[in-house]
Amino acid sequence: QQQVKQSPQSLIVQKGGISIINCAYENTAFDYFPWYQQFPGKGPALLIAIRPDVSEKKEGRFTISFNKSAKQFSLHIMDSQPGDSATYFCAASISNEAGNMLTFGGGTRLMVKP
Amino acid sequence: DSGVTQTPKHLITATGQRVTLRCSPRSGDLSVYWYQQSLDQGLQFLIQYYNGEERAKGNILERFSAQQFPDLHSELNLSSLELGDSALYFCASSPLGSGDNEQFFGPGTRLTVL
Repeated sequence: QQQVKQSPQSLIVQKGGISIINCAYENTAFDYFPWYQQFPGKGPALLIAIRPDVSEKKEGRFTISFNKSAKQFSLHIMDSQPGDSATYFCAASISNEAGNMLTFGGGTRLMVKP
Repeated sequence: DSGVTQTPKHLITATGQRVTLRCSPRSGDLSVYWYQQSLDQGLQFLIQYYNGEERAKGNILERFSAQQFPDLHSELNLSSLELGDSALYFCASSPLGSGDNEQFFGPGTRLTVL
């Protein structure tokens, strides 16, 4: 059962444009939603995270928008740069469980063209 | 560099064999997580250990096992290997065993089963 669905699978954006990646989840017990960035040959690295008590969180050029009623959240990358070219994963976890394993979306391969 | 180390970087073996992947968490982190990344299944949580004890279990096959030692390093043992076990195996660590604390990923071990 895929509990976190991510789209699109791939995305091509011009330099300076806005990249938007969307995720939808099924389990309403999820209460922590991080985004990870992965470059080829590297492990995923945390980019930004949000909890469902806020609708938006911004860190630099990266913004998460969260819609609790729709069970959706998205990552916006403003002023996209070639260095942002990577694979992005949304994830979700339940923070009050004994463990806090991450359930990942399928990933989005972003290419930013110069 | 996340501070999480994994060895070996690459592993090539044959079907039916057994291998051991090793992970050293960041200094001070008590939790270790194992994830499998494959083309068809994406990033999937396998198992979590916290301070030497199993904390959570995901879609880990019975042929796979893990443990965390007193010095907090962890090993993932994969036995009776099949072609479908070929994947990237990531270890992550975090300071706590639960809650929305950031997980830091290692560079991964690429396993190829021939």
